Amino acid sequence: GDSVTQMEGPVTLSEEAFLTINCTYTATGYPSLFWYVQYPGEGLQLLLKATKADDKGSNKGFEATYRKETTSFHLEKGSVQVSDSAVYFCALSDLQQAGTALIFGKGTTLSVSS
Amino acid sequence: EAGVAQSPRYKIIEKRQSVAFWCNPISGHATLYWYQQILGQGPKLLIQFQNNGVVDDSQLPKDRFSAERLKGVDSTLKIQPAKLEDSAVYLCASSLGTGRETQYFGPGTRLLVL
Repeated sequence: GDSVTQMEGPVTLSEEAFLTINCTYTATGYPSLFWYVQYPGEGLQLLLKATKADDKGSNKGFEATYRKETTSFHLEKGSVQVSDSAVYFCALSDLQQAGTALIFGKGTTLSVSS
Repeated sequence: EAGVAQSPRYKIIEKRQSVAFWCNPISGHATLYWYQQILGQGPKLLIQFQNNGVVDDSQLPKDRFSAERLKGVDSTLKIQPAKLEDSAVYLCASSLGTGRETQYFGPGTRLLVL
C-alpha cells in the first residue's frame, strides 16, 4: 500500500542554518503531497502542499518540490529560526484509495538553538 | 472562523474501562476524520465520514472501537474495553469535501491507559 518515509530525527541546527528534511513516498495513484508541522503543545497545522508533479509548495520561508521521477518531496528552508523548532510530518493523500485520508511519515523533530 | 474542537483534552483510565471522545468540525465541512497518533509515530487513520456516512473504516479495530456522526456534524469515538496499547493522541480533522482540500486538525485528546 501507499507509504511515506522521512528522515529520522532529531535534527539539531543553529539559528540561520540551512534545513533539509528528506521525504520519499510510495503510491499506487497520483497523490497530493503535504508537509504538516506540530509546534510544542499545539495541533497539526498545514505548512505547505503540492498537488502535481513539479509543483512547488511554499510558506513561511519553507519550500518543497513534488518530484515524480524520484518520488520525493523534500522540505527546505534557507535560514531557520528558533521559532521553527517543532515536529515536521510529510504526508500524502491518494484519491485512488477508498478515502482521502492522509498517510503520514513518522515525523522529524527539529530543534534550533540561538 | 472557529477551528476543530475536541474534548476532553486529556483522559486517564484503567484497562478494560470505556472512554469516549468528542469532535466538532469546522462549520460546513462535510468530511470528518479520526486519527490515532502513537508516541513517536505519525497519525494513522481510524475512520473517515462523509456527512453521516462512513467512507473508510478499514483500520478501525471494530471489536473495541466505534464511531458515529449521526447528524453529519459532530462525532464521537468510543473505546470499550480499552487496552494498554490504546494509549495515544486521538486527532480529529475536517475538510470541505472529498477532494484534495486541506484537512484541518483539532488539538487532540491525549489518552493514557493504565
